[in-house]
Amino acid sequence: SYELTQPPSVSVSPGQTASITCSGDKLGNRYAFWYQQKPGQSPVLVIYQHTKRPSGIPERFSGSTSGNTATLTISGTQAMDEADYYCQAWDSSTVVFGGGTKLTVL
Amino acid sequence: QVQLVQSGAEVKKPGASVKVSCKASGYTFTSADINWVRQATGQGLEWMGWMNPNSGNTGYIQKFQGRVIMTRDTSMSTAYMEVSSLTSEDTAVYFCARGPIDSDRSGDSDYYFAFWGQGTLVTVPS
Repeated sequence: SYELTQPPSVSVSPGQTASITCSGDKLGNRYAFWYQQKPGQSPVLVIYQHTKRPSGIPERFSGSTSGNTATLTISGTQAMDEADYYCQAWDSSTVVFGGGTKLTVL
Repeated sequence: QVQLVQSGAEVKKPGASVKVSCKASGYTFTSADINWVRQATGQGLEWMGWMNPNSGNTGYIQKFQGRVIMTRDTSMSTAYMEVSSLTSEDTAVYFCARGPIDSDRSGDSDYYFAFWGQGTLVTVPS
């Protein structure tokens, strides 16, 4: 079965750039999506089709892909960005989520 | 605006069944799949399967086949997910999530969830 691998945790200082990676076989050949989830809340889509932001998502969130890796980048990270982030892809009629990355802003 | 409103928290005994509802509004209910995703406390997101509200067709991951049924009532714009033979390992928050409308998709792999329900906590004491 298809798998997506994320680092369990990433730390960043306020105002700096945070990068969260997601690796999967031939991920660059399929769309990658990113969700933000804060404690006690539903996930929120922050990036779709590798690089696009839904309306209402701040411009500091961006996505990229290269080879087998998709990356979520948060520029000028703010305290409010502290959350769990999940990547997601679709493979053989199955939705696959990465294990999630806890972003700590300290 | 698109909204998905789920039913309230449930506490069930081991071996029982639970049925969670997801009422959609703000769009044509039959135009996009409803998916179900669950999350155990402190754990990641686990996709369970999908349902096409127009046809009623469903697809479940192997783990849940035979134990999960997804249905809908188009007159009520409501999707349902029933899980049977509950164990403590089914204790989780269950989310419904809407798939993309076909006209928004740019290929088979363009499948994502822009809209989510608020989640329903199902507790199965051990």
